[in-house]
Amino acid sequence: DTGVSQDPRHKITKRGQNVTFRCDPISEHNRLYWYRQTLGQGPEFLTYFQNEAQLEKSRLLSDRFSAERPKGSFSTLEIQRTEQGDSAMYLCASSPGHTVNTQETQYFGPGTRLLVL
Amino acid sequence: SQQGEEDPQALSIQEGENATMNCSYKTSINNLQWYRQNSGRGLVHLILIRSNEREKHSGRLRVTLDTSKKSSSLLITASRAADTASYFCAPNNFGNEKLTFGTGTRLTIIP
Repeated sequence: DTGVSQDPRHKITKRGQNVTFRCDPISEHNRLYWYRQTLGQGPEFLTYFQNEAQLEKSRLLSDRFSAERPKGSFSTLEIQRTEQGDSAMYLCASSPGHTVNTQETQYFGPGTRLLVL
Repeated sequence: SQQGEEDPQALSIQEGENATMNCSYKTSINNLQWYRQNSGRGLVHLILIRSNEREKHSGRLRVTLDTSKKSSSLLITASRAADTASYFCAPNNFGNEKLTFGTGTRLTIIP
């Protein structure tokens, strides 16, 4: 399967612990996005990368959150000192991103469901 | 970016019937996308319609766009149980790469 993959699929942690999620985009996709979704809501944008450059960050991305895409391929999203309010589904998506200023179809992964106790 | 507002919030129909859901937005767009999300899973892209297009089809899906009314509709014909999902629209402004979603329409197909 050459779709977007995310790992882990589920994570349960205690408040105050750090967690890290991984996203592997579709091969040769230059753009990678992170979204967060809580129950009954649509996904909310967190950040996106064009290759290894992080081009936009949402105000939702507090200083406890950090995302990286060091080689322009996979990405990691780390949450430090987790809080119960961080409990959500974290979705990753990718798109070709070969042309600037075009809105493209985004291909989503299955998500990582985080529960902070 | 701007958020689309889907209407209705929830819709239940009998299998085989057609389902229509609507999306409204506030400012001019470059394109508008529709996505589907089955329970507990990631989103799946359905259709992208550009601002100079009025209607687009994909299988049992028909999307219309009325830029004068700043609205779009998604019609699913001959619904199936597998169409049970949440449907989101994402209106996009030029130069904006991210997607902004509303709360979606929760569609339930009754066998």
